[in-house]
Amino acid sequence: EIVLTQSPGTLSLSPGERATLSCRASQSVSSSYLAWYQQKPGQAPRLLIYGASSRATGIPDRFSGSGSGTDFTLTISRLEPEDFALYYCQQYGLSPGTFGQGTKVEIK
Amino acid sequence: QVQLVQSGAEVKKPGASVKVSCKASGYTFTSYYMHWVRQAPGQGLEWVAMISPSGGSTNYAQKFQGRVTMTRDTSTSTVYMELSSLRSEDTAVYYCARGVPSTVLTYFQHWGQGTLVTVSS
Repeated sequence: EIVLTQSPGTLSLSPGERATLSCRASQSVSSSYLAWYQQKPGQAPRLLIYGASSRATGIPDRFSGSGSGTDFTLTISRLEPEDFALYYCQQYGLSPGTFGQGTKVEIK
Repeated sequence: QVQLVQSGAEVKKPGASVKVSCKASGYTFTSYYMHWVRQAPGQGLEWVAMISPSGGSTNYAQKFQGRVTMTRDTSTSTVYMELSSLRSEDTAVYYCARGVPSTVLTYFQHWGQGTLVTVSS
């Protein structure tokens, strides 16, 4: 199965700053079948990005995804207070679909 | 709007079984595979299983083979996940999740609210 490694484990930033989250796959993710989710305490994950770079319905344009092959990035252009949360990547190009271990974006 | 409503929290003893339900509404139930994803306390997300609501075919993660069974009831638009021979490591929040139409491997657009399963003697 494809192993996804997210870095850093924790990102400490201030509101208004730019956040760059990385997701690296152990082998190439076919057709850029890579998604990003946001999760807040006590809540289910929320889809942000699919197909590596397509924003899900209702997701603000400060969230963007990029990358291909084995290296993918989620960028939050300017952090809003509600963006401090956990973020997971997921590959769905090869069965079984797998998730990264998560990156926590916390307030500095 | 799409809604996935799961059954309530469960507390089970080691060795027992648990059956969790997920009732779907707001879309054509038979057009979308349904998946289960779990999250142990303080841990990441782990895919468990999926079912085709139309034909009932299933696919399980290798680590759960032999212990997990997914079923569905098309008359009530409900899917079920039963996990047997429970151990403490199965303590987790179990989510049902729906992807895109007629696609086995998918990202998840919609999630249930989660069901906490606690395994404790």
